[in-house]
Amino acid sequence: DIQMTQSPSSLSASVGDRVTITCRASQSISSYLNWYQQKPGKAPKVLIYAASSLQSGVPSRFSGSGSGSEFTLTITSLQPEDFATYYCQQTYMTPPFTFGPGTKVDIK
Amino acid sequence: QVQLVESGGGVVQPGRSLRLSCAASGFTFSTYAMHWVRQAPGKGLEWVAVMSYDGGNKYYADSVKGRFTISRDNSKNTLYLQMDSLRAEDTAVYYCARREAVGPNVRFDNWGQGTLVTVSS
Repeated sequence: DIQMTQSPSSLSASVGDRVTITCRASQSISSYLNWYQQKPGKAPKVLIYAASSLQSGVPSRFSGSGSGSEFTLTITSLQPEDFATYYCQQTYMTPPFTFGPGTKVDIK
Repeated sequence: QVQLVESGGGVVQPGRSLRLSCAASGFTFSTYAMHWVRQAPGKGLEWVAVMSYDGGNKYYADSVKGRFTISRDNSKNTLYLQMDSLRAEDTAVYYCARREAVGPNVRFDNWGQGTLVTVSS
């Protein structure tokens, strides 16, 4: 099975900051990589799919990049509603479609 | 609008069984593959199982293989997860999620609110 790692596991940032989260796969997964945002007590919400495609309705301050085994989620100007936990997920070939361990973004 | 509503969670003793349901509305359920994803308290997301749109294909995480069974009734727009031989480590919020695909790129574009399963004596 493909294993996913994320760094950092948590970060503290201020409103307006640029935030970057990295996700690595244990093997090449081409661009089969999604990013989700989850707030406490809520279901995850997809932000980015296919590594760099913005899900409909998601603000353009979110962007994704990468291919192969290393990927990045960037939030260009952090907003108060962006404080949450972010997960990457690989959907390469057949299941299991594993998630990364998550990155918690909180207020500095 | 798309709506997914899970039910069936609760407190169950180790070794016992529970069946979760996910009622779908607002879309043509019979044309979408559906997934179960779980989240243990304070932990990350764990993919559990998937069933194809017609029930012809199903996959499971190794952690539940042989104990959990995913099924669906397209006439009732409902997805199920039969959980047998439950263990303490199965304690989690269980979400159902709709699989959306653009070509080969799959994402989970709609999720239910989750149902909590607690396995405890």
